[in-house]
Amino acid sequence: TQLLEQSPQFLSIQEGENLTVYCNSSSVFSSLQWYRQEPGEGPVLLVTVVTGGEVKKLKRLTFQFGDARKDSSLHITAAQPGDTGLYLCAGGKGYQKVTFGTGTKLQVIP
Amino acid sequence: DAGVIQSPRHEVTEMGQEVTLRCKPISGHDYLFWYRQTMMRGLELLIYFNNNVPIDDSGMPEDRFSAKMPNASFSTLKIQPSEPRDSAVYFCASSFLPGPGEVSTEAFFGQGTRLTVV
Repeated sequence: TQLLEQSPQFLSIQEGENLTVYCNSSSVFSSLQWYRQEPGEGPVLLVTVVTGGEVKKLKRLTFQFGDARKDSSLHITAAQPGDTGLYLCAGGKGYQKVTFGTGTKLQVIP
Repeated sequence: DAGVIQSPRHEVTEMGQEVTLRCKPISGHDYLFWYRQTMMRGLELLIYFNNNVPIDDSGMPEDRFSAKMPNASFSTLKIQPSEPRDSAVYFCASSFLPGPGEVSTEAFFGQGTRLTVV
């Protein structure tokens, strides 16, 4: 059973466009992480959010944790080809028991 | 530090053969994880260790899979006998124990082993 559903599954956009990726669950998590994975590599952590309603910014990326700590979103402003990759959310329930989402594959076309 | 090191990067084997995947975690990390990634099921946690002790192996699909961590710098994931449905990318990751007030820490992933069972 996949506890974390991401949408959309696939996204292909032109350079300069904005986009939002969603991560939803019926479970409450103590923390939520976003990772980016490039082809042939392992996932790399982008951000961790722990407080309901928390918003974190990483350059052109904005991450938000839902008030009830069941969902999260990732918004990218003015997407660049270097943003291409698989975006994974990961919910934590306790120190290291992490469940990964289904993933969103993003392609940014120059 | 070179990061988490996995070997081999690619493995092609025949059904029924034994496969051993290897991982060297980042020095000083307390936790080691084994994940499996497929298109259908995404990234699944198979097992994790804390200070070389297996803590949760509920994600191991069946008895054909086994994992060991004989010391802090080495772990193996073994599949015996292998089957075509085991074909996937297997990742090893390691992390520190969270500090006071922290609820999670960053997991550092290796580059993965792409396993193909024919």
